[in-house]
Amino acid sequence: AQKITQTQPGMFVQEKEAVTLDCTYDTSDQSYGLFWYKQPSSGEMIFLIYQGSYDEQNATEGRYSLNFQKARKSANLVISASQLGDSAMYFCAMREGSGGGKLIFGQGTELSVKP
Amino acid sequence: NAGVTQTPKFQVLKTGQSMTLQCAQDMNHEYMSWYRQDPGMGLRLIHYSVGAGITDQGEVPNGYNVSRSTTEDFPLRLLSAAPSQTSVYFCASSRSGGKIGELFFGEGSRLTVL
Repeated sequence: AQKITQTQPGMFVQEKEAVTLDCTYDTSDQSYGLFWYKQPSSGEMIFLIYQGSYDEQNATEGRYSLNFQKARKSANLVISASQLGDSAMYFCAMREGSGGGKLIFGQGTELSVKP
Repeated sequence: NAGVTQTPKFQVLKTGQSMTLQCAQDMNHEYMSWYRQDPGMGLRLIHYSVGAGITDQGEVPNGYNVSRSTTEDFPLRLLSAAPSQTSVYFCASSRSGGKIGELFFGEGSRLTVL
């Protein structure tokens, strides 16, 4: 069965430093998608970055990059130059197959950025 | 710029009461889904729909009903509320193109069942 695992319940990082949030996944599908969402304390879910299983390049979106290691089934989120506003819960998620509408989410990692 | 609209944002129910969480999207997305978020468990899929008239169960469907009579609306019905249904509920929509599966979320509905 498909599964997403985030092993870091909480992380601390100093402002302006880079941080990596871990995510491993398990699937037997050849076609899948991996997502990262941010949930600040206000509660809304904010899309950060997407990686398709057939994408050869690691995805990047501004300060966010996704370190995609297909053989290891990992999709770690790297945030460069952390900012205080990056303090939030971060969820890794995976799309099952090639259709839309259903994502499997990990348990989340709470990131705290220290000034 | 409405996107996905959920109502109500907060609700307190007594055990055994029923209620409907409303969800509407104005982006003409084919897919809609309901998730619940509980501490330490991430988001879990309750029900989803791939189009008007088509719904299916997710990981935690018990105690909930859905229907999708239009592309825009996807209400979630709690038939007889239980304390275990105390949670934050998110409605989401997604499209078939682009980043397939990217979810556009509503703001969430916090439900407390006493």
